[in-house]
Amino acid sequence: IVLTQSPGTLSLSPGEGATLSCRASQRISSDYLAWYQQKPGQAPKLLIFGASTRATGIPDRFSGSGSGTDFSLTISRLEPEDFAVYYCQQYGGSPRYTFGQGTKLDIK
Amino acid sequence: QVQLQESGPGLVKPSETLSLTCSVSGGSVSSSSYFWSWIRQPPGKGLEWIGDVYNSGSTNYNLSLKSRVTISIDMSKNQFSLILKSVTAADTAIYYCARSYVTWFDPWGQGTLVTVSS
Repeated sequence: IVLTQSPGTLSLSPGEGATLSCRASQRISSDYLAWYQQKPGQAPKLLIFGASTRATGIPDRFSGSGSGTDFSLTISRLEPEDFAVYYCQQYGGSPRYTFGQGTKLDIK
Repeated sequence: QVQLQESGPGLVKPSETLSLTCSVSGGSVSSSSYFWSWIRQPPGKGLEWIGDVYNSGSTNYNLSLKSRVTISIDMSKNQFSLILKSVTAADTAIYYCARSYVTWFDPWGQGTLVTVSS
C-alpha cells in the first residue's frame, strides 16, 4: 500500500491552522493509520493512532480524521514548536508497514 | 517509561555486514503485548520499515530486504538486534529501533547513523 502525502511543503505562520493530507493507494482500516512528527535531529514521535486518537501527552490542537483512502491531520493553531516534518503510516499488506513521504511544515 | 537505545558501528565497508543492537530499559522485550522493530531513514529522506521480532523469536521482514536481514531477540539481556548483510552505499541511513503495539510505533530510539563507505 502506497501512502501519498500532500502538500510536500506547507508554509504557514504561528497561530494559523494547518491541514495535512495522506492518501492511500487502496482502502485501509482507520484502526491502522498513524501520524508522526519529526523535528531535525530527532526520532519520529507518535502523534495520532487509529486515525483519530491522540497519543499520550499530545496537545488537543492536533486532531486526525478520515477513512477509507483519505486521511488528514489538522493542527488548529500553530505553535512555534509545531514546525517539523509529519509522516503518516499504515499497517497491513506488504510490506507490513509503510510510511508516506512526509509533509514539511515550515514557518512563513 | 520505556526507553530504547541503538548501538553499533557507525561505519561499515561495502559488502560487509551491518550489526546493531537495541537496548530496552523501563520495559521488557519479553512482553506479549508488543513487537520490536527496526526502521531506517536515509539522510534527508523518508522512513522505511525493515522488520520486527516478537518475544517468541518470530520475525517479519520487508520483502525488499528479506534476503539480507536477520532480526533476533535476547530476553536475558533485554535487547533485540539487526543484522544486514552485503551492504552497499544505499544502506547508509539513520537506523531506529522502536516498539510496536502492532499498528503503530512508540517509543522510538534516538537513532544511529550508519555510513557504508570504504
